[in-house]
Amino acid sequence: QVQLQQSGPGLVKPSQTLSLTCAISGDSVSTDSASWNWIRQSPSRGLEWLGRTLYRSEWSNDYAVSVRSRMTISADTSKNQFSLQLNSLTPDDTAVYFCARFRSGAFDFWGQGTLVTVSS
Amino acid sequence: DVVMTQSPLSLPVTPGEPASISCRSSQSLLYSNGYNYLDWYLQKPGQSPQLLIYLASSRASGVPDRFSGNGSGTDFTLNISRVEAEDVGVYYCMQGLQIPHTFGQGTKLEIK
Repeated sequence: QVQLQQSGPGLVKPSQTLSLTCAISGDSVSTDSASWNWIRQSPSRGLEWLGRTLYRSEWSNDYAVSVRSRMTISADTSKNQFSLQLNSLTPDDTAVYFCARFRSGAFDFWGQGTLVTVSS
Repeated sequence: DVVMTQSPLSLPVTPGEPASISCRSSQSLLYSNGYNYLDWYLQKPGQSPQLLIYLASSRASGVPDRFSGNGSGTDFTLNISRVEAEDVGVYYCMQGLQIPHTFGQGTKLEIK
């Protein structure tokens, strides 16, 4: 059974950088049959896909246009995890952040979610 | 981006009665392999979304057979044959055909 365990702060100041990590068990971050994604949820935006990392002979990333200039997703094969960095935070980035595996056309496993509040 | 539109947004249901949720996409979700890349998720209060149906009509592992999905192209439906109290929450459709993956607004199912 795949499990995704998220870690990271719940409170971040405006203009600072958010760092979240998603530790994977039951699968490998470098599998060639899935991608590893970040999704957030807020009352104003609903569920919003943010980006993904995947390995297909080499690593590649894709990002939503709304965060492309501020977001970096990276994989750590030694720890079997992937991470999100989102910089220049504003209160509009306040949301619950989820990591999720995408396989066979669906997000079949999700992390527990992290409520991130951007406030001074 | 593909826009996903659900209806209704609120769905009060008596236990034991059937329920149905509609989802429409702004572009066809039918891929050349014959599959429709449309999924259904349920988010119970205080939990992460959980996958119910993938590729429009395939039930995810452990999902009760009272849940079923159908449709093709741009019009899809999630059916619950007999609603139970544990089915309360918000149901979302999502297109998995292209990035950015996009979700519907959600349909809140409540028990009457």
